[in-house]
Parts: sequence; structure tokens; C-alpha cells
Amino acid sequence: QLHLQESGPGLLKPSETLSLTCSVSGDSITHTDSYWTWIRQPPGQGLEYFGYIFHDGSASYNPSLRSRVTISVDTSKNQFSLRLRSVTAADTAVYYCARHFGSYHTFDSWGQGTLVTVSS
Amino acid sequence: QSALTQPPSASGSLGQSVTISCTGTSSDVGTYNHVSWYQQHPGKAPKVMIYEVSERPSGVPDRFSGSKSGNTASLIVSGLQAEDEADYYCSAYAGNGFWVFGGGTKVTVL
Repeated sequence: QLHLQESGPGLLKPSETLSLTCSVSGDSITHTDSYWTWIRQPPGQGLEYFGYIFHDGSASYNPSLRSRVTISVDTSKNQFSLRLRSVTAADTAVYYCARHFGSYHTFDSWGQGTLVTVSS
Repeated sequence: QSALTQPPSASGSLGQSVTISCTGTSSDVGTYNHVSWYQQHPGKAPKVMIYEVSERPSGVPDRFSGSKSGNTASLIVSGLQAEDEADYYCSAYAGNGFWVFGGGTKVTVL
């Protein structure tokens, strides 16, 4: 069974760079029908899609976040990562990594989520 | 502001039905059948309940069903159970590798 686990700092200061890693187990990150994504949820609010990366390194980003976001993949470690530059308090949220399964066009596996707080 | 519009709350009595709407545009819900519904209990990650408008993943009770008409998709939960009390989110494909979500609907079982 596919398992995803986020890791990274839980507290950042404004203007710093958020870096999170998602470790994938139970399947290879090179699975041909899997797109690896980041999604966040501010406290008490809805879900926001960051973008995805494919195992070959091709990526697509949410246009509203594209200027600050980089998603990368490390197939040797079965991991993928998120970098969000110049954070503000508005970036405080639970960050989820998830698999988008291409055949079903849905986010079928999610990590447990990690809370990132931006505060001076 | 979320890209897809959902009512903030919905409720129904045990055993009754509740319907949640998800309104998008002709660029997302109206064009693609890639609409999913997710259930989220407090402190937990979302779980997919419906994909491709009306398909149920293995293990999801058949009390959950989905439909779409024009720019609006709907999730119907029949025979409400106590464990159905949760937040529900819709998502839709908006083209060019971009996905949008709804703001979420809190379902209360009376």
C-alpha cells in the first residue's frame, strides 16, 4: 500500500524559504501513472493546489504561486520536495504531499500533513 | 477565495440524505469529467470518495454517489451515518496541469 510522509521545519520567519520533503514507500516514484503533488490547507480554510512533478522532472505549477515555487524529485531516494520562497504569515498552513493517479484523475493517496507556521 | 463554490454547511438526520453542490465554470467542471470529492475528518488528511464525477474507489460505501450537470457537480450521501459527519471538498481539472478545489462543506448529522 502506498504511503507518503512529509518532513521539514515547522516554524519559519517571514522572508525565509520553506523546504519540505515527501518520502514515498510502498511503490516506486517512477510509476508511470503517478504525478507527485503538493497541496496546502490554511487553518480553518480550504485546499490549495501547488503543482505536480513527474518522475522525469517535468513539472506544472499553480499560476498564482509559480513565481515562488519549485517542486523537485529524487528518484534514487523515492522522494520529492517543495520549496516556497519569501514566505509570509499567509503561507501558514498544513502542507500535504499527495499522489495524483493519472488513470483516475484524482488525488488517491495523501500524506498525514505537516503544519508550517510563519511567524516573526 | 476558492475557485469552486460549495455551500459552507449542510445537514441531515441519521438515515436521511444530503446533497452538496460544487459550482465551477465552463473552463473546469463544465469541460472535464475529472471531478473528485474528498472527505476530511478533523486533524486527518482528505480521503477520496468519488472520482471522475461518479466513480467510487474500492472500499467506499455505495451510499456515496456523484453527478454533474453543466458547470455544477454534486455529491449525494444517502442513508447518513454518524461517521459521515466531516468536511467535504470537491476538486476539478482546469486544464494545463492545473487543479482547483472548492472551499469545503461541513456536513452535520443531526
